[in-house]
Amino acid sequence: GQQVMQIPQYQHVQEGEDFTTYCNSSTTLSNIQWYKQRPGGHPVFLIQLVKSGEVKKQKRLTFQFGEAKKNSSLHITATQTTDVGTYFCAGQGGGNKLTFGTGTQLKVEL
Amino acid sequence: EPEVTQTPSHQVTQMGQEVILRCVPISNHLYFYWYRQILGQKVEFLVSFYNNEISEKSEIFDDQFSVERPDGSNFTLKIRSTKLEDSAMYFCASSAGINQPQHFGDGTRLSIL
Repeated sequence: GQQVMQIPQYQHVQEGEDFTTYCNSSTTLSNIQWYKQRPGGHPVFLIQLVKSGEVKKQKRLTFQFGEAKKNSSLHITATQTTDVGTYFCAGQGGGNKLTFGTGTQLKVEL
Repeated sequence: EPEVTQTPSHQVTQMGQEVILRCVPISNHLYFYWYRQILGQKVEFLVSFYNNEISEKSEIFDDQFSVERPDGSNFTLKIRSTKLEDSAMYFCASSAGINQPQHFGDGTRLSIL
């Protein structure tokens, strides 16, 4: 079945440093969605990418969808303590289910 | 902003008992989902529901599980004969359409003793 992997599993950064998480699917996706989950919280929808090569920005966050629609990345510029959490990508193939990636846990130190 | 609401927030049950987890999806959404997340792991798809029937389910969603939309607002997940390994956070989600963003509730933490 479809598998979605993310690297790195963990990332510790100093506040102000940049952060990137990479997502790779074993199969071509129709779209990819990114979620943020705070400790003890639920996945919060951040963005959806649909088109091959698409790039979207939300303030300090930049999301990319690969040309082959099998990989994606999330880049955060100048991290802040409020960015702490686990970032999941989640892909949709032919059906409506989301296949979540393994997640990247971000910790930001002052 | 509209939210998906789930009750209870925490459910503690003896092994072998039945539990019903409840969800109220966002009111104009048509697609409903259940996911689960074992502590420290990724979110796993269980089932999707549209037009009063299951549209897709995972290998996890076996005969032990069932879903129902008993009225115009609620969406429930029933787990029969609970096992220790059913302990997890269960999230309900909904979306306006196919391939649309899915919005998650706060979850129900299920603890099987």
